[in-house]
Amino acid sequence: DTGVSQDPRHKITKRGQNVTFRCDPISEHNRLYWYRQTLGQGPEFLTYFQNEAQLEKSRLLSDRFSAERPKGSFSTLEIQRTEQGDSAMYLCASSLATPGEQYFGPGTRLTVT
Amino acid sequence: GDSVTQMEGPVTLSEEAFLTINCTYTATGYPSLFWYVQYPGEGLQLLLKATKADDKGSNKGFEATYRKETTSFHLEKGSVQVSDSAVYFCALRTHGSSNTGKLIFGQGTTLQVKP
Repeated sequence: DTGVSQDPRHKITKRGQNVTFRCDPISEHNRLYWYRQTLGQGPEFLTYFQNEAQLEKSRLLSDRFSAERPKGSFSTLEIQRTEQGDSAMYLCASSLATPGEQYFGPGTRLTVT
Repeated sequence: GDSVTQMEGPVTLSEEAFLTINCTYTATGYPSLFWYVQYPGEGLQLLLKATKADDKGSNKGFEATYRKETTSFHLEKGSVQVSDSAVYFCALRTHGSSNTGKLIFGQGTTLQVKP
């Protein structure tokens, strides 16, 4: 078990470009979460998958954001028409339904210039 | 809505000093409470947890007691080490009907331990 992995670790993009991040959860975990962490703040919940179904989305997740988890394995988070306010660390976590402890990946740091 | 408030940092201590990082919460029902730690350049790691009132979570010399009457979950360690320097996050997880398991975090407290 190699833990939760995220790719890329760092992404610099220009305003208006689209970006996509990938998260590979721990293999037997059926729950997957995305969070966003801005400088000096704690992570904020974005969205949650149980297997391939996206069951909850935060109001933080504007229509420029989309997340998928095909086949209930890895997940992708896409941001379209990036804005400077999207600059943040994007964290992925996975868990079993029970007991539900979440294991976090190292994060993808996005910088929008 | 549900929320977590932590004491502001940074907290700077000398090695072997006593540590307290305050955390209070607002939640409906009876949430589970967590402390996560983020070492420089690494991902969040679960440090300890408590799932019901009066439970004490402990790990690596750190402790926190779930106090329902004061809605608090303060983190303590009797003798800190330089290697404890990190950012500490208090978090809660509610058990509502949706049962998503999402975590709500405080803003984090940076601890710096000097030799």
